[in-house]
Amino acid sequence: QQQVKQSPQSLIVQKGGISIINCAYENTAFDYFPWYQQFPGKGPALLIAIRPDVSEKKEGRFTISFNKSAKQFSLHIMDSQPGDSATYFCAAAGNKLTFGGGTRVLVKP
Amino acid sequence: GAVVSQHPSWVICKSGTSVKIECRSLDFQATTMFWYRQFPKQSLMLMATSNEGSKATYEQGVEKDKFLINHASLTLSTLTVTSAHPEDSSFYICSAATGGNEKLFFGSGTQLSVL
Repeated sequence: QQQVKQSPQSLIVQKGGISIINCAYENTAFDYFPWYQQFPGKGPALLIAIRPDVSEKKEGRFTISFNKSAKQFSLHIMDSQPGDSATYFCAAAGNKLTFGGGTRVLVKP
Repeated sequence: GAVVSQHPSWVICKSGTSVKIECRSLDFQATTMFWYRQFPKQSLMLMATSNEGSKATYEQGVEKDKFLINHASLTLSTLTVTSAHPEDSSFYICSAATGGNEKLFFGSGTQLSVL
């Protein structure tokens, strides 16, 4: 049972463009929704996170949009740079973290 | 931010041998540590949760006798893959929590290759 569904699986965007990744969850007990960035051969690093009482959170070029009624949330990467090329994971947490399937983002120069 | 050190970063072993992976929280005390497994181009799958001084809680389908977890102190947890086989080859990642799901930090991972 996949509790957190993430799409798309992969994404190619031009430098300066916007990368958008979507996630949907099922368990309404989740109360914390982080996004992680992972480079090959490395552990995931926390990028930005949101709680369900907030509809949007922005940190630099990264923005999370959260729709509690639809049980969906998304990550927007503005002004995408080649250094943003990585795999991004959404996650949802209650007493433990459940990861989405991941999105491989490639930013072309 | 808080640092979680995982060692070794990669290990190659022969089939049938055991391998130990260490996870240390360097600048904080970790009440809970988590162990994940990640296959190529796949997501992280939680294997087990360990609390200092108590037995680990394993996720469904994870063999506790094969993946031994010890959390002897608030700064160290170890994962031992016993009698490793080629199908155990994977990327293993630990994370440490210092209280609440917001205070969760990941190690850099260990690539295990079993020949």
